Amino acid sequence: SQKIEQNSEALNIQEGKTATLTCNYTNYSPAYLQWYRQDPGRGPVFLLLIRENEKEKRKERLKVTFDTTLKQSLFHITASQPADSATYLCALPPMNRDDKIIFGKGTRLHILP
Amino acid sequence: DSGVTQTPKHLITATGQRVTLRCSPRSGDLSVYWYQQSLDQGLQFLIQYYNGEERAKGNILERFSAQQFPDLHSELNLSSLELGDSALYFCASSPGQVSQPQHFGDGTRLSIL
Repeated sequence: SQKIEQNSEALNIQEGKTATLTCNYTNYSPAYLQWYRQDPGRGPVFLLLIRENEKEKRKERLKVTFDTTLKQSLFHITASQPADSATYLCALPPMNRDDKIIFGKGTRLHILP
Repeated sequence: DSGVTQTPKHLITATGQRVTLRCSPRSGDLSVYWYQQSLDQGLQFLIQYYNGEERAKGNILERFSAQQFPDLHSELNLSSLELGDSALYFCASSPGQVSQPQHFGDGTRLSIL
């Protein structure tokens, strides 16, 4: 079965710097990968989807890369702000129609003022 | 506001009891997903319904069951509750295709005493 690994350690980044989060996966080649943000006590919120034929995707200060050879996606937040502090989850689609979507455990990001 | 409504927000009950969690999906969404999130397990997919039919099943216990009604709202029934069932239960909805972003409610926090 497919597995996702995200750094379970919290990441502390100084305000204004770039935060980079990693999502590694094993066992198959997904057609796409999604990133979500989750604040404490709230449901995850969709941020970005990147497809296997897209090396990079941007949305405002967010950038996601997808390296199918390394089986890795990187999520970057540039010019980070304290309001970016949250847990960020990556998600892989099901391997087939009746299979399940898999979420990583998430990386908690703290932007220090 | 994601447009997904979950009730109740909090539920406190005792071991052995049965509870029903309710979810109203975003207007127009045909798929409903249920997830369990506990501190050490991350977001665990339980089950997905599409237009009233079960589409995919995750690690859902036999004590748990769900259904999606003709008006597309969904209920998750948890019975013979155990202490380990204490968690946040999220509902999410999407138009249908699994590649489309999921919109999450703010969850029901279930506490078993």
